[in-house]
Amino acid sequence: RKEVEQDPGPFNVPEGATVAFNCTYSNSASQSFFWYRQDCRKEPKLLMSVYSSGNEDGRFTAQLNRASQYISLLIRDSKLSDSATYLCVVNILGFKTIFGAGTRLFVKA
Amino acid sequence: GAVVSQHPSRVICKSGTSVKIECRSLDFQATTMFWYRQFPKQSLMLMATSNEGSKATYEQGVEKDKFLINHASLTLSTLTVTSAHPEDSSFYICSASRFNYGYTFGSGTRLTVV
Repeated sequence: RKEVEQDPGPFNVPEGATVAFNCTYSNSASQSFFWYRQDCRKEPKLLMSVYSSGNEDGRFTAQLNRASQYISLLIRDSKLSDSATYLCVVNILGFKTIFGAGTRLFVKA
Repeated sequence: GAVVSQHPSRVICKSGTSVKIECRSLDFQATTMFWYRQFPKQSLMLMATSNEGSKATYEQGVEKDKFLINHASLTLSTLTVTSAHPEDSSFYICSASRFNYGYTFGSGTRLTVV
């Protein structure tokens, strides 16, 4: 079993749609969690950190469920510019960082 | 803040030669940097953790004699791909962490070995 698993997609959604991605992790020692966005042939960029209480940044909402060991990302009112690959990132005890394989999102007009 | 600069962005080299990639933290000190490799349509794979002033920690399956890492200062880590072969062609990315900024990535180096 992979340490961090994501549905690779692709998710094809129309503009304005709401889309959600889940990510599961296997190591219970995982300490911090992030969502990154990666555009084609570019480096990943931090989208948002994920806090235990859940957090929101504009149209993006991230949640963490430690009991079930998964994190989620919700995107509301999708824009064309949201098309990218979204990477789930898990940090284990501040020592090792593991990336999920990414979920590809295509937002269509 | 938390800018990481990586050079070169693109390099083409002949099989058997060595290539050095630099990763610099521009506005902060990074005691630890990370090197990743990404093949097309695949996820980032951690190759090694670079520690300032000590030996790098390599992930399982990564040849330390082939991928030489040097972290001589708090702002610079280098990855040297020695005796490169076509199968080493990939996208190499470094990153460093800074409190409250998560992990900041360099812009990546696309290596093509011909």
